[in-house]
Amino acid sequence: GEDVEQSLFLSVREGDSSVINCTYTDSSSTYLYWYKQEPGAGLQLLTYIFSNMDMKQDQRLTVLLNKKDKHLSLRIADTQTGDSAIYFCAESRTGNQFYFGTGTSLTVIP
Amino acid sequence: DAGITQSPRYKITETGRQVTLMCHQTWSHSYMFWYRQDLGHGLRLIYYSAAADITDKGEVPDGYVVSRSKTENFPLTLESATRSQTSVYFCASSEFHRGQHEQYFGPGTRLTVT
Repeated sequence: GEDVEQSLFLSVREGDSSVINCTYTDSSSTYLYWYKQEPGAGLQLLTYIFSNMDMKQDQRLTVLLNKKDKHLSLRIADTQTGDSAIYFCAESRTGNQFYFGTGTSLTVIP
Repeated sequence: DAGITQSPRYKITETGRQVTLMCHQTWSHSYMFWYRQDLGHGLRLIYYSAAADITDKGEVPDGYVVSRSKTENFPLTLESATRSQTSVYFCASSEFHRGQHEQYFGPGTRLTVT
């Protein structure tokens, strides 16, 4: 909602890296989040980054934040078939308002 | 079982009927949220609650009513359902810790309004 944008689809081969991109709108957003949704399930928090950081690494996941361009990315190293899912970025704005992107459907080809 | 549950998981109702979606969490989290998920829109926040008896509007509150008399429950009511409210509804709970929310989501309720 409120113009948090993501590309809709991404296909990668198993073992390659995946990069999912997101642009957000509010420069005052304090935290930015990545969630994963598997078919028929709710969202699961993968990782988050504080707005004064440029990068955060968590095992196979790397989050990059370009605050000037309001651009957030999630890199998944050594992508596996179990990583196939929809990935959402989200920003938290003032108060407790959360705005999610439209989601990127990642397909991993064996 | 511990966690966050939603009921019913599937619901079909007719235009104009009142329907209530239930959400229950066992963590005693202060915050609870209701979202709807629609193709092309991602998730949009309907209402949230910071504590029992404290609720606030989100991005798309029109046509919905919430209450929070107990910390663990956060029901969402559609007072007079419309076809545009056909959606998948997700409830979430969180604690506000070190300036951020780690939200835990329920499995969702798929609502169809005919």
